[in-house]
Amino acid sequence: DTGVSQDPRHKITKRGQNVTFRCDPISEHNRLYWYRQTLGQGPEFLTYFQNEAQLEKSRLLSDRFSAERPKGSFSTLEIQRTEQGDSAMYLCASSPLGPNEKLFFGSGTQLSVL
Amino acid sequence: AQSVTQLGSHVSVSEGALVLLRCNYSSSVPPYLFWYVQYPNQGLQLLLKYTSAATLVKGINGFEAEFKKSETSFHLTKPSAHMSDAAEYFCAVSRDSNDYKLSFGAGTTVTVRA
Repeated sequence: DTGVSQDPRHKITKRGQNVTFRCDPISEHNRLYWYRQTLGQGPEFLTYFQNEAQLEKSRLLSDRFSAERPKGSFSTLEIQRTEQGDSAMYLCASSPLGPNEKLFFGSGTQLSVL
Repeated sequence: AQSVTQLGSHVSVSEGALVLLRCNYSSSVPPYLFWYVQYPNQGLQLLLKYTSAATLVKGINGFEAEFKKSETSFHLTKPSAHMSDAAEYFCAVSRDSNDYKLSFGAGTTVTVRA
């Protein structure tokens, strides 16, 4: 169990650029979640996958955001035409499928949009 | 809709003193409640989880929380603070024990004075 890993740890970009983040969940975890955390706030749910299927997207996730989990393993979160308001910590988490399972979080990708 | 409110964004305690972090929830269905801890540069870790099996829930590192339906509260306590308890703590709620579309509070930062 190597934990949930996210890459990169930090990303600085200019407004209008596209960025992509990667999340590698714990092996064999069926469910994968993306959250966003801004300074002074708790994480906000963005979307989640069960295997390769994206089951739910939050209204927070504008059309500029897209997430994929093509083979039910790693996931990517892409933000197109970044805006300064996108600056946040993007957290990935995974869990097995089943009742009362634990959710394991990665350390996050810190995005700064200049 | 489910939500939680954490009272107090910052708590300072002396080493060895009681730690009390307050969380009130709002839920249209019986809630599943969580406390997470976040240490600097680390992912969120689950401290404990309420799933209606018992109103007093014991977690890791000596923490416990009591579910009080009449007060819609789920306060976190630890009898004796340790320097290693300095971190940010988040209360969260979901509709289902198998549902990690969590709604988090804004967090409470705990500092421990020697």
